[in-house]
Amino acid sequence: GQNIDQPTEMTATEGAIVQINCTYQTSGFNGLFWYQQHAGEAPTFLSYNVLDGLEEKGRFSSFLSRSKGYSYLLLKELQMKDSASYLCAPLDSNYQLIWGAGTKLIIKP
Amino acid sequence: GAVVSQHPSWVICKSGTSVKIECRSLDFQATTMFWYRQFPKQSLMLMATSNEGSKATYEQGVEKDKFLINHASLTLSTLTVTSAHPEDSSFYICSARDLDGSSYNEQFFGPGTRLTVL
Repeated sequence: GQNIDQPTEMTATEGAIVQINCTYQTSGFNGLFWYQQHAGEAPTFLSYNVLDGLEEKGRFSSFLSRSKGYSYLLLKELQMKDSASYLCAPLDSNYQLIWGAGTKLIIKP
Repeated sequence: GAVVSQHPSWVICKSGTSVKIECRSLDFQATTMFWYRQFPKQSLMLMATSNEGSKATYEQGVEKDKFLINHASLTLSTLTVTSAHPEDSSFYICSARDLDGSSYNEQFFGPGTRLTVL
């Protein structure tokens, strides 16, 4: 079956760094997306990894290890507006996104 | 970046009525559009995949006669919730894949439609 595993909730302090881990099992693999979703809003694109390694994009970086079925999203210099849910979504062999419940990130002053 | 709009943003209707939700790709052509539903504190659930000019492919457990999907053009797909009931109250989100394709099959999401059935 297909499965996504992320922590349900994480708390971090403004200005700090946080790493959100994701392990996945999918039927085939065509890359992995990270999305941010604020309450009551649709997801917005953060990053995409298809090859192993780290992709850096401003304050956000994403890492992928295909052999381990593992990815993480690294958020630096946290801001209050980063409080949201973060969704790890691999793309399966049919090019469909597989969604987990996401990680709710709470930023404290 | 690519923009997807949805209309309406929110709708309240009486039980037994039908509601139509529109999803438009504003600055690109989308061969494929996806319809999702999300209940509070739950993950997005894919309801159906809509391809322009052909019938939608529904996920297991989604009633195709209740959730009518029409993808008449490369920029518009509609979802009609027929004979809505309170349990259909949810956040409905569409996404679209660019015809010319980003190199990584990204789906661009609409802002979502919150449906409340009384």
